[in-house]
Amino acid sequence: AQSVTQPDIHITVSEGASLELRCNYSYGATPYLFWYVQSPGQGLQLLLKYFSGDTLVQGIKGFEAEFKRSQSSFNLRKPSVHWSDAAEYFCAVGAKANFGNEKLTFGTGTRLTIIP
Amino acid sequence: GAGVSQSPRYKVAKRGQDVALRCDPISGHVSLFWYQQALGQGPEFLTYFQNEAQLDKSGLPSDRFFAERPEGSVSTLKIQRTQQEDSAVYLCASSLWGQGYEKLFFGSGTQLSVL
Repeated sequence: AQSVTQPDIHITVSEGASLELRCNYSYGATPYLFWYVQSPGQGLQLLLKYFSGDTLVQGIKGFEAEFKRSQSSFNLRKPSVHWSDAAEYFCAVGAKANFGNEKLTFGTGTRLTIIP
Repeated sequence: GAGVSQSPRYKVAKRGQDVALRCDPISGHVSLFWYQQALGQGPEFLTYFQNEAQLDKSGLPSDRFFAERPEGSVSTLKIQRTQQEDSAVYLCASSLWGQGYEKLFFGSGTQLSVL
């Protein structure tokens, strides 16, 4: 069964500093990987996704993530965070889309706090 | 509508009550998903529809949970005889034909509190 681990429950960074959020996955085949962001009281918004090809993927809001098969990781990065980036971030893994098997498995999330 | 709409936004139920949570997906979205998000946790898959067909209900925690989408548009998640452990945010998501979970649009959720 697929699973996702986000080792950091809470991270605090200064505005303008760089950010890396960790994600490790477990899945028997080539995974579909996602990062979502959730602001308080809001639904989840897709930041980026990896299906195949270039292992460095670019997303919205200046985020990027790198797929490393050897480390089973898909870490999210941003070179310079803004106060508006404060939110909860979820990594997710999905099985390749098969009819009747359309579920994402999410990690427990990392809460990001930005300090001035 | 412009996005996925869920109602009510908040629901307080006494233990043992039945509740019904509504999801109105983006117009034209064929796939619809329900997720349960407990406090401090990530969302967990409950069930998946393609049009009116419920293709996967393996995540429903018990037979007290029931979901339907009779006309392939609006969906209702019903929980019978609610228990305290059912307290969570229930998220609905939808996507276009052929995209499945690849590009999901989530609603803001219904926060259910069972007292």
